[in-house]
Amino acid sequence: GAGVSQSPSNKVTEKGKDVELRCDPISGHTALYWYRQRLGQGLEFLIYFQGNSAPDKSGLPSDRFSAERTGESVSTLTIQRTQQEDSAVYLCASSLYLGDTTDTQYFGPGTRLTVL
Amino acid sequence: GEDVEQSLFLSVREGDSSVINCTYTDSSSTYLYWYKQEPGAGLQLLTYIFSNMDMKQDQRLTVLLNKKDKHLSLRIADTQTGDSAIYFCAESKGGGFKTIFGAGTRLFVKA
Repeated sequence: GAGVSQSPSNKVTEKGKDVELRCDPISGHTALYWYRQRLGQGLEFLIYFQGNSAPDKSGLPSDRFSAERTGESVSTLTIQRTQQEDSAVYLCASSLYLGDTTDTQYFGPGTRLTVL
Repeated sequence: GEDVEQSLFLSVREGDSSVINCTYTDSSSTYLYWYKQEPGAGLQLLTYIFSNMDMKQDQRLTVLLNKKDKHLSLRIADTQTGDSAIYFCAESKGGGFKTIFGAGTRLFVKA
């Protein structure tokens, strides 16, 4: 596809269950970001993948959160034992970020996660 | 450390100019960006400026950069109700370092 896609678009789960969120970046984009956006609030950085480098996980809020990326393609964000405070929109973005080029990010539409 | 700060809200009347301000801490930032998020959507890049520039103009948008003070602003001329959105400031220093976003400024445009 032409843009970044995310699935599912909406996910409702019960507290304590695990969830997996998927991001398909733009083909050829080396960088991929996950962000969290709580209702009415700004972006919260979660994790950053850049090529074959070790991911920057400095934004993950707890060890219940993990993410993987297969090469320069699909990424999954996993939240284990979900809590109500995990309810938010999870946004994925990708960029063609080589050397000193700009890091113009292309965002997906997000996955709205609701934990009951 | 790296930090990008913005005021949270701005309210203007339709037809007036809006000025959204941002400060950042990383003096080695190479690129500075403005993104726009409309309700229920992801972010979209509005414009960006290289750190060796002072100003960039694009139709109704004017970006001003004061590198000495690490201050970036976005001016929207003749603000319209369709400009109501959240505006995010961001900075990166190239070389594969991650981009840092501010918390966003919510712009309300009153008719």
